[in-house]
Amino acid sequence: GNSVTQMEGPVTLSEEAFLTINCTYTATGYPSLFWYVQYPGEGLQLLLKATKADDKGSNKGFEATYRKETTSFHLEKGSVQVSDSAVYFCALGRGGSEKLVFGKGMKLTVNP
Amino acid sequence: DAGVIQSPRHEVTEMGQEVTLRCKPISGHDYLFWYRQTMMRGLELLIYFNNNVPIDDSGMPEDRFSAKMPNASFSTLKIQPSEPRDSAVYFCASSASGFWGTQYFGPGTRLLVL
Repeated sequence: GNSVTQMEGPVTLSEEAFLTINCTYTATGYPSLFWYVQYPGEGLQLLLKATKADDKGSNKGFEATYRKETTSFHLEKGSVQVSDSAVYFCALGRGGSEKLVFGKGMKLTVNP
Repeated sequence: DAGVIQSPRHEVTEMGQEVTLRCKPISGHDYLFWYRQTMMRGLELLIYFNNNVPIDDSGMPEDRFSAKMPNASFSTLKIQPSEPRDSAVYFCASSASGFWGTQYFGPGTRLLVL
């Protein structure tokens, strides 16, 4: 079945450090891939998405590229800020009536 | 738009009591999802509706859980009777185009069953 494996953390970084959160997936066909972010005390919100191979999603300085050959969708940011402290979820969707499959989430803390 | 609205934000109850969680989706969204989040199991989809009709409730843990959507602007998730293992954060989300589209999550209801 469809599944997502992501780094679980927690991870603590200093402000302005480089961030990579790994995400790999298993799916048949051509899924869409998502990164959701959950700030403390809030619900999840979509950070970025990609719907086909080689697409790059980007938002708020974060980027992720849909790599079909490595079945990966790693999240990167060149310089993190304290305000990026949150839990990050990788997710996979096949569309139609199929459910989104979420990774377990990775908690990121950025210290000033 | 105010976004997805959930109430209450926090609920503390005793084992055996009935718990009702409420959700108002974003106006115009025709899909509504109920999720549960725990440290052990992560984020789980419990049930989802399309045009007020339940489509897939295979994630509902057992008969103690029930969900309704009487109209396009309101849904409830009920647990009766509640048990300590039901303690979790329950999220409601809505979408304009099912799983393809962006799901907008509410702030969640943090439930503690003593």
